[in-house]
Amino acid sequence: GAVVSQHPSWVICKSGTSVKIECRSLDFQATTMFWYRQFPKQSLMLMATSNEGSKATYEQGVEKDKFLINHASLTLSTLTVTSAHPEDSSFYICSARGLREVGEQFFGPGTRLTVL
Amino acid sequence: GQNIDQPTEMTATEGAIVQINCTYQTSGFNGLFWYQQHAGEAPTFLSYNVLDGLEEKGRFSSFLSRSKGYSYLLLKELQMKDSASYLCAVTDSNYQLIWGAGTKLIIKP
Repeated sequence: GAVVSQHPSWVICKSGTSVKIECRSLDFQATTMFWYRQFPKQSLMLMATSNEGSKATYEQGVEKDKFLINHASLTLSTLTVTSAHPEDSSFYICSARGLREVGEQFFGPGTRLTVL
Repeated sequence: GQNIDQPTEMTATEGAIVQINCTYQTSGFNGLFWYQQHAGEAPTFLSYNVLDGLEEKGRFSSFLSRSKGYSYLLLKELQMKDSASYLCAVTDSNYQLIWGAGTKLIIKP
């Protein structure tokens, strides 16, 4: 159990376009979902935390108007990178946590975004 | 501030044992996680400690001392597939997960 899927697994887009990444918890209800970004050879960087039905909480330095997060249901959160630029190229990973606040986070497989 | 320290890189030999240390200073403590991350992949859960002591799970064991703000991940009978980054993460009083930078483990034949 506790499977998280992410779609797409990789995407290449032109500069200036928007890209939507979906994160789904397949067999459990995720009250909280997290979006991370990871540049090559660096650790995970938390971008934002989203709770179902409420606005996401963004980490310092993350532009909320550029990285739009929607957590419309207990099994789906989406991250939209608006007007993507080459510096947004990165590995984007979502994770989901169930009803227990101290529970582990279950990670999706990640989405590799390349902006040309 | 909140801080988690772990070595940047370690090297070990196939079949041997390696211990990866993690020290933390956080506002509150609600558990410590170890995750494994292979290059280009998402992290996968290894262990969770919330009480002092050793948790054993197959070839992997994790130890916690809350009074010392210290944990280690012990990997036995190392295999080449264990080459990966190992991430230490602590849940603070607000149930936020604070991540260490990760330890890159290189296994040599």
